[in-house]
Amino acid sequence: ILNVEQSPQSLHVQEGDSTNFTCSFPSSNFYALHWYRWETAKSPEALFVMTLNGDEKKKGRISATLNTKEGYSYLYIKGSQPEDSATYLCAFIIQGAQKLVFGQGTRLTINP
Amino acid sequence: ETGVTQTPRHLVMGMTNKKSLKCEQHLGHNAMYWYKQSAKKPLELMFVYNFKEQTENNSVPSRFSPECPNSSHLFLHLHTLQPEDSALYLCASSQEPTGRQTEAFFGQGTRLTVV
Repeated sequence: ILNVEQSPQSLHVQEGDSTNFTCSFPSSNFYALHWYRWETAKSPEALFVMTLNGDEKKKGRISATLNTKEGYSYLYIKGSQPEDSATYLCAFIIQGAQKLVFGQGTRLTINP
Repeated sequence: ETGVTQTPRHLVMGMTNKKSLKCEQHLGHNAMYWYKQSAKKPLELMFVYNFKEQTENNSVPSRFSPECPNSSHLFLHLHTLQPEDSALYLCASSQEPTGRQTEAFFGQGTRLTVV
């Protein structure tokens, strides 16, 4: 059974502060890692698709890093804004499979 | 707006009912998926269709029956469900099966309650 662990499960951050959270996944047979943002009453929306060890990706104030050898990815949000409030999901794909295995997500709340 | 539309958004059904969930995408994607999210659990893949052919059934009970008549439409037919099947059902699509090059585009989901 593949397990994808995300921590923390929930997080409250003051507006303007920076924050980060973690996705841990099996380090063997790595194929790809996806990050999604899921706002309440909306659809999950892709942030990043990461494939190479050492990958760093950035979209505005959000960035992500990937370490496939030790099996973790970090998502960073710089200068949090209220619109960043959402659940952030990571999903892992093993070689030979075509399915995303999701973690439970980190629920982020930005306090004004 | 992701381009993936699911109907209905909410559904309440009895255990003896038969109902269907519908998913539609006009993004030109070739792969479509059904996911289930139960309370306090991660998103769980149910079915994968690639070019209208089912390529993955994640040990889903037969009371859930998918149908993919064309690359743009995906249905989930429901019959004799149990209360524990109450969950959010999400449809997704991607250009090709999700992996190194392509992310999934999700619908907003159908909140199903079985009474």
